[in-house]
Amino acid sequence: DSGVTQTPKHLITATGQRVTLRCSPRSGDLSVYWYQQSLDQGLQFLIQYYNGEERAKGNILERFSAQQFPDLHSELNLSSLELGDSALYFCASSVVVVGEQYFGPGTRLTVT
Amino acid sequence: DQQVKQNSPSLSVQEGRISILNCDYTNSMFDYFLWYKKYPAEGPTFLISISSIKDKNEDGRFTVFLNKSAKHLSLHIVPSQPGDSAVYFCAASEGGTSYGKLTFGQGTILTVHP
Repeated sequence: DSGVTQTPKHLITATGQRVTLRCSPRSGDLSVYWYQQSLDQGLQFLIQYYNGEERAKGNILERFSAQQFPDLHSELNLSSLELGDSALYFCASSVVVVGEQYFGPGTRLTVT
Repeated sequence: DQQVKQNSPSLSVQEGRISILNCDYTNSMFDYFLWYKKYPAEGPTFLISISSIKDKNEDGRFTVFLNKSAKHLSLHIVPSQPGDSAVYFCAASEGGTSYGKLTFGQGTILTVHP
């Protein structure tokens, strides 16, 4: 158990819908990262927050957004969902901006 | 453009022998490297890391070697155990920057036979 929690574990929704994925980092970790793992793309970095502020962006679609709240938990919002958005979404956290990242168990999103 | 490559999709070894997993990278700005292990239906688990100022780092049965001139790193597991069977990912970051984005390889499936 890494100490990073993610909810929900599974999510099935229809195209065009909007969903919110939630992540609680390890106690004391200020940095939160979101990654997407699809079958053909492997693990891809989406976005990083550090102590409430956006720090870095990867290949995150404009339909996707994230935020980190004062209690350091983070949410990833996915809207206008398409079939291709079906993937595993992982959250990770670390103490500092650059260092070992500890991953949560992931949320499996299925868009039908 | 895949900046981190694991060219072997799978590796099979006998229990007690050495497992060697390889990883190549192309981005010369990478200066911090990590290995993760992943079981099905779980998130990646951090194993070991190495900074570019070192060429070797050891932690128990796991040793990571870095060859900067060849842009190559490897993970050695000695002795291999059946519980080591998992997908292994190598990852890299531009540690000198102010963000911790990790770029991952595609993974190598390790199977350790009893």
